[in-house]
Amino acid sequence: KAGVTQTPRYLIKTRGQQVTLSCSPISGHRSVSWYQQTPGQGLQFLFEYFSETQRNKGNFPGRFSGRQFSNSRSEMNVSTLELGDSALYLCASSLLSSGGASTDTQYFGPGTRLTVL
Amino acid sequence: DQQVKQNSPSLSVQEGRISILNCDYTNSMFDYFLWYKKYPAEGPTFLISISSIKDKNEDGRFTVFLNKSAKHLSLHIVPSQPGDSAVYFCAAKRSGAQKLVFGQGTRLTINP
Repeated sequence: KAGVTQTPRYLIKTRGQQVTLSCSPISGHRSVSWYQQTPGQGLQFLFEYFSETQRNKGNFPGRFSGRQFSNSRSEMNVSTLELGDSALYLCASSLLSSGGASTDTQYFGPGTRLTVL
Repeated sequence: DQQVKQNSPSLSVQEGRISILNCDYTNSMFDYFLWYKKYPAEGPTFLISISSIKDKNEDGRFTVFLNKSAKHLSLHIVPSQPGDSAVYFCAAKRSGAQKLVFGQGTRLTINP
């Protein structure tokens, strides 16, 4: 079974631009979460989508948004990019069996390295 | 407010010996804990997990121990191999939520 895929793998943007990152979860997985990794803040939760609905959101400004499609694929968008948005953006998927079992493991994709100049 | 802490930024172990990585948490609502291994420029790879109803879980060379009263968990790798050299992250979550709270990571180096 294929793992979580993320596109593009690398991206260079300038301040003020916007960017869209894409994530395809493991086949059959219904929940997709996004994380940001930076040297200073470590790995931080951005948001989680399940059945095309955002269920949980981390402490990030409204410039960070996302969505999920009916096939569980997800995109995240960052508008008005700032230098501090340079990071590795990671997508993770989990099966989320009926009831959303707490023990559902999240599996991560390779990430998208975003550089803002 | 760092709810999950890995106090050792780095650890060096000789090949064949035991590696012990530690993690502390402060939020008593966490009931599921995971360890991930990460190489640079790659996503974290799931290693092993433990539910709060258990105090130990084993998977091959990896064992995770959970001490709920101390809010402490540890990952034991035995025997350590050169391929185990990576950054290890401890993560925690609450029932019904998918949000993972990560520690800052511990860089493990296995020396031949």
